[in-house]
Amino acid sequence: GIQVEQSPPDLILQEGANSTLRCNFSDSVNNLQWFHQNPWGQLINLFYIPSGTKQNGRLSATTVATERYSLLYISSSQTTDSGVYFCAGGSQGNLIFGKGTKLSVKP
Amino acid sequence: DAGVTQSPTHLIKTRGQQVTLRCSPKSGHDTVSWYQQALGQGPQFIFQYYEEEERQRGNFPDRFSGHQFPNYSSELNVNALLLGDSALYLCASSLKVIEQYFGPGTRLTVT
Repeated sequence: GIQVEQSPPDLILQEGANSTLRCNFSDSVNNLQWFHQNPWGQLINLFYIPSGTKQNGRLSATTVATERYSLLYISSSQTTDSGVYFCAGGSQGNLIFGKGTKLSVKP
Repeated sequence: DAGVTQSPTHLIKTRGQQVTLRCSPKSGHDTVSWYQQALGQGPQFIFQYYEEEERQRGNFPDRFSGHQFPNYSSELNVNALLLGDSALYLCASSLKVIEQYFGPGTRLTVT
């Protein structure tokens, strides 16, 4: 089955810094999403991005489908950005998740 | 517009018992998927329901079963509970298989 690798596994930032999270897929996917999981376990949709580039405020994402990777950019990070970021994708309607990137933003 | 809802929020069961978790999809969605998330891991796909039929299934034993009702809501049943079934169970809904939206989850503890 499809394998999803996320990097880095852990990231510590000072408030105001920028960061890039990466997600690699072992095979092609036709749906790809980025999520932020809050401390209570709720998965919050960030982007649905099977290809191309999207931006939403301080967050943006780029997926290069032909090379099977996606990037999530966080600019001017805030303490509220802390949590675990997951990418997930699939080819048959299900989502295969990576192990996540745990982000801690220090004030 | 109500999002995905799940009940109950928390549940404690004993080994060998059976449990039923419930999910109501986001308005306008017709597909429901279930995921299991163990502590410190990413969610794992259990199965997906569309038009009241199981369409996709992950690598989970037959102890895990489900149902989708005509109003698109869904249930996840787990029989003969094991300690290893303790996890956060997440329900996601979507229109067909496009972008999935997740509910707040049910935290199951098996003692």
